[in-house]
Amino acid sequence: EVQLLESGGDLLQPGGSLRLSCAASGFTFSSYAMSWVRQAPGKGLEWVSTIGSSGGRTFYADSVKGRFTISRDNSKNTLFLQMNSLRADDTAVYYCAKDHEGGGVTTSGVHFDYWGQGTLVTVSS
Amino acid sequence: SYELTQPPSVSVSPGQTARITCSGDALPKQYAYWYQKKPGQAPVLVIYKDSERPSGIPERFSGSSSGTTVTLTISTVQAEDEADYYCQSADSSGVVFGGGTKLTVL
Repeated sequence: EVQLLESGGDLLQPGGSLRLSCAASGFTFSSYAMSWVRQAPGKGLEWVSTIGSSGGRTFYADSVKGRFTISRDNSKNTLFLQMNSLRADDTAVYYCAKDHEGGGVTTSGVHFDYWGQGTLVTVSS
Repeated sequence: SYELTQPPSVSVSPGQTARITCSGDALPKQYAYWYQKKPGQAPVLVIYKDSERPSGIPERFSGSSSGTTVTLTISTVQAEDEADYYCQSADSSGVVFGGGTKLTVL
């Protein structure tokens, strides 16, 4: 059974930093691209970032480019999101998600067949 | 990047058919995907590559594509289908979600 378990969400002040983790199990983690998707309170889903299966390719939404860094440790089946210079509009539930089909050489065709339950990040003074 | 446009809400009575549209200029060139999202739960993929249904998704969920519009159709709607539905697409510049459609089962 595929499981994705996010952790690391917290309440912090604007300008702060936070690292989210996502522990994966039940599939060959190193064969699939992984992503982070967020949902702000009362808002829709927003793609944040994708990383290729080997970790060599990374992709970001314009809203987080230069502030967030996605990475993975295939030896530990874990996905990360380092978030710096956090702003109030980064407040959201952050989901990690597994790509349905591919390794993620590009974001073309990326879509998600398994999602974690999410971790809440609140940025507020 | 491009945009995907969905109606904010759709309402149907139990047993009827719900149709949720998603429009975007890139859709003739890129596949669309659909997710069901209930409050407090993770999204669930219900349609991929415009019209394919993942294993475990009921047959009453179907998808179609015509030009710049894709449609999620839910036949014989049940109370448990009440949820937010999001379309999604992706190209080499990134991944895009539609704004979401709240399906209300009257």
